[in-house]
Amino acid sequence: AQSVAQPEDQVNVAEGNPLTVKCTYSVSGNPYLFWYVQYPNRGLQFLLKYITGDNLVKGSYGFEAEFNKSQTSFHLKKPSALVSDSALYFCAVRDLFSGGYNKLIFGAGTRLAVHP
Amino acid sequence: EAEVAQSPRYKITEKSQAVAFWCDPISGHATLYWYRQILGQGPELLVQFQDESVVDDSQLPKDRFSAERLKGVDSTLKIQPAELGDSAMYLCASSPTTTGVVETQYFGPGTRLLVL
Repeated sequence: AQSVAQPEDQVNVAEGNPLTVKCTYSVSGNPYLFWYVQYPNRGLQFLLKYITGDNLVKGSYGFEAEFNKSQTSFHLKKPSALVSDSALYFCAVRDLFSGGYNKLIFGAGTRLAVHP
Repeated sequence: EAEVAQSPRYKITEKSQAVAFWCDPISGHATLYWYRQILGQGPELLVQFQDESVVDDSQLPKDRFSAERLKGVDSTLKIQPAELGDSAMYLCASSPTTTGVVETQYFGPGTRLLVL
């Protein structure tokens, strides 16, 4: 079965420090991977996606993610965290068995807390 | 910037009552998705439309849930009768196309349902 795992329920980081939110995937083929962010009582906002090509993907709000095929990971990173980055982050993979339709399978989410 | 619209934002109902949620996707987006997000979990796809047709409703509890997109634009998700376990955030998303293309899904603000 295809899946994504976010091994950390919460990540704490001080403002100005680099942050990493981890995601690992399990798919039987080439993965298409996404990161979304969710603020309280809001919908999900798209940050970035990996389809093919460069393993380092740049996205919105200064976030980037590194695709690592050997480690089956797609970790989200930012060089300098802001308090306003505090939110819930979801990793997702496109379901390759959805008949060509863009069904996404989401991880359980990681809460990022950036402290002043 | 175009956004996915949802209403209502919040809904409180008693069990056994009927509830309905409305979604208006980004103009021109052919694909519409309804997700359910239980507190502390990632979103789970309930139903996916391509224009007015359902292409995936494998996770939709069809004994009580129904969804329609009659003219291939806006959509309604209904629950009848509501149960306590239906308390969740219901998210609508849309994307421009679907088959064979890895598209980004854009989410609305969600409807938070509380069943008493």
